[in-house]
Order: sequence, then structure tokens, then C-alpha cells
Amino acid sequence: EVQLLESGGGLVQPGESLILSCAASGFTFNNYAMTWVRQAPGKGLEWVSGISASAYNIYYVDSVTGRFTISRDNSKNTLYLQMNSLRVEDTAVYYCAKNSRGEASAFDIWGQGTMVTVSS
Amino acid sequence: DIQMTQSPSTLSASVGDRVTITCRASQSISSWLAWYQQKPGKAPKLLIYQASSLESGVPSRFSGSGSGAEFTLTISSLQPDDFATYFCQQYNSYPWTFGQGTKVEIK
Repeated sequence: EVQLLESGGGLVQPGESLILSCAASGFTFNNYAMTWVRQAPGKGLEWVSGISASAYNIYYVDSVTGRFTISRDNSKNTLYLQMNSLRVEDTAVYYCAKNSRGEASAFDIWGQGTMVTVSS
Repeated sequence: DIQMTQSPSTLSASVGDRVTITCRASQSISSWLAWYQQKPGKAPKLLIYQASSLESGVPSRFSGSGSGAEFTLTISSLQPDDFATYFCQQYNSYPWTFGQGTKVEIK
């Protein structure tokens, strides 16, 4: 079964850091680009970051550039999101998603999400 | 950034109704558009990619059309399982962006 399982969410104070992980199974992880998407409580979806299969190409939404770092370990079938200098507005459910084909493609598999709460 | 605008924001419909949701892009995105369905507390589910291609396993009552800057998602006969929120998303140019969502409610 194709599956993505996020972990690492939690409650942190503004300015602190958190690392999210996404463990992939059921498909050849190193063949696919991967993505992080977030959803603030009661709000819509926001694409956060994407990484190519080889990790050569990396992209971020402007609001997290310089604070978040996406990475992947293809030997461990795991995607990461290092989040530094967290802000209250980063509070959201964070989903990892698999790109269906190349980097410019829809997201065909999603994890269940992990909640990140930034509050003092 | 490309802005994606969905209409309506909320739609009330009955089982068996034909439902159409519109998504407009602030500039041409060719056919690089996807539609997702999301139910409360769950992750989104891919329905349509490349504007009109049905994702494997998705019922044929769902269809997508359009190109350039205007797109539609149609549910030919609304089923009880279809009451959910629907999002469009462009993947023509970074940053990828989503519409604000259309909630399909029971009338």
C-alpha cells in the first residue's frame, strides 16, 4: 500500500524550531518529487515547499524562504521539513504529498497531516 | 504569483443534482490544473489532473474541463459521499497556488 506518514508536529513558542518527517512506503521514493502543503485551522490549502527526486531542485513559498528547509534522504525513504524562527502564522496542519510525475505535477498521495501550533 | 479564484464559495445541492464549480486563474496556466476533494479532518484527495484527466479510482461522475485561465469541475449526479470541500490548484509556475475552496453542502 502506498503510504505517507508525517511526524514531528507539536506546540512550540514563537522563534523556536521544529523538524517534520514524512516516511514513505509502497512506492519507489527516489523516483518522485515531493511536496509540503499546509492548512491553517479553518482555512484553505497553501503549498509550502517542493523538492525534486534527486533533491537538485528545491522551491519555497516566499513566506517561509530563509526559515524553512526541505530535504530528503532517499536511502531512508523520508522527506523532512526543518522549520526555524517559527511564527504564530505558521500554525497549521502540515501535509506531505507525493508528486504524481515530475516536479510540475499534481499531488496524488497525501499523508494524514501533522499539527504544528506556534503560540506563547 | 498566480491567483486562483473559485466560485461559488459555498454551494447547496441535493443528491442527484448536477454541480459545477468554476476556477479562474489570474493568468494563463495552460492545462496545468488539478482538482482535490477534502472532507473534514482528512487529507485532500486528487480527483482531476491536467485539467481534464480523471485520477485512477475516481468515479466517472467527476469531470474537469477548461484551459488557459478558466476551468470547471462538474459532478454529473451528486452522491451522498460527495458532500465535501473542493480545491483547484495550478502547477504552471511556482509558487503553486490553490483556490480558496468550494464547500458543497446538503440542501
